Amino acid sequence: DTGVSQDPRHKITKRGQNVTFRCDPISEHNRLYWYRQTLGQGPEFLTYFQNEAQLEKSRLLSDRFSAERPKGSFSTLEIQRTEQGDSAMYLCASSLVVGVGTDTQYFGPGTRLTVL
Amino acid sequence: KQEVTQIPAALSVPEGENLVLNCSFTDSAIYNLQWFRQDPGKGLTSLLLIQSSQREQTSGRLNASLDKSSGRSTLYIAASQPGDSATYLCAFYSGAGSYQLTFGKGTKLSVIP
Repeated sequence: DTGVSQDPRHKITKRGQNVTFRCDPISEHNRLYWYRQTLGQGPEFLTYFQNEAQLEKSRLLSDRFSAERPKGSFSTLEIQRTEQGDSAMYLCASSLVVGVGTDTQYFGPGTRLTVL
Repeated sequence: KQEVTQIPAALSVPEGENLVLNCSFTDSAIYNLQWFRQDPGKGLTSLLLIQSSQREQTSGRLNASLDKSSGRSTLYIAASQPGDSATYLCAFYSGAGSYQLTFGKGTKLSVIP
């Protein structure tokens, strides 16, 4: 399977705990994106990487959130001191962009976070 | 702020019917537009990408069109099947160097056998 993979698929945690999610993009893709989706809504952009550089962060990404892509391959998204409002589906996507432009984003299956 | 509206929010049709899903946006200054389907509790599957210079794209029974001047995109599904039941989302890039997709809330489609 050469698609985008995410781990874990589901995570249940208690309020105040830290959680970390992993995303493995399609191997040759240079861009990696994180989105968050709540029930009945479309996904909302959180942040993206061009290779290992994090180039943009949404205002939705509070200081409790941190994302890394250390070697330009897989990425992690960590949420510290989780709150019930963090409960959502966290989606990762990747794309291959050459120069200035956009291309099809391919999404992973998501990690569903439930904060009790 | 760009707003994306998808109408209707939900649609139920009998199997075999042709249908149209609508996506409208408030600012015509969009770049590429992408249609996705999402099955319950799952990630998104890309269906069609309409590049800035294009007006439509076709894949099998799906046809998507983009009219920037009117701020609308439509997804046409021919001869609907129960397997088409899913939520369909439209999303767009706002510029050539844009990095994020802005999504609508989606249309939930049910195709009744």
